[in-house]
Amino acid sequence: GAVVSQHPSWVICKSGTSVKIECRSLDFQATTMFWYRQFPKQSLMLMATSNEGSKATYEQGVEKDKFLINHASLTLSTLTVTSAHPEDSSFYICSAKRARYNEKLFFGSGTQLSVL
Amino acid sequence: GQQVMQIPQYQHVQEGEDFTTYCNSSTTLSNIQWYKQRPGGHPVFLIQLVKSGEVKKQKRLTFQFGEAKKNSSLHITATQTTDVGTYFCAGGIYNQGGKLIFGQGTELSVKP
Repeated sequence: GAVVSQHPSWVICKSGTSVKIECRSLDFQATTMFWYRQFPKQSLMLMATSNEGSKATYEQGVEKDKFLINHASLTLSTLTVTSAHPEDSSFYICSAKRARYNEKLFFGSGTQLSVL
Repeated sequence: GQQVMQIPQYQHVQEGEDFTTYCNSSTTLSNIQWYKQRPGGHPVFLIQLVKSGEVKKQKRLTFQFGEAKKNSSLHITATQTTDVGTYFCAGGIYNQGGKLIFGQGTELSVKP
């Protein structure tokens, strides 16, 4: 089956620093990747849609300058949380859409970010 | 904006009892998908429904998509402890390139 690898799984950083999270599709080409944020015991909130070679489309209320998304290739998308603050602490998870798979999503294992 | 409402938020059942979670959308959906997230894990795809009134079964799980393509349900017959987790529905939005709107999820706990 299709595998999406997300790294790191955990990251603890100081307030004001930037953190990069990688999302890779290991055995397929992902035309589109999605980035979600999930708070404990809550649903997945879509942050942005990332298409290879073009600018990401951000959901309303998500700061594009704060959450930088780069989709440089068909197998890699990155999310950079810039100048992180404690309120950015959350579980971030990516998903990838595989061509001709009827919009089914394959999820990465997620990244727990804790900002001190 | 577009929303997918899911109820109940929590369900505690005795092993062997049935369980149902419901989703309702404010707009017509292109498809509905169901995911299961185990505690500490990531969502895993269960099924996708596309057609109006569609019903699909996976062993003890029955999935339905409403005639108007605005609501859906997941029913588990005779729950087992392995069914524990949070079940999310996710509605596909027309002409949005595969974008899904997730429901709030139903956390299922099963008492042996």
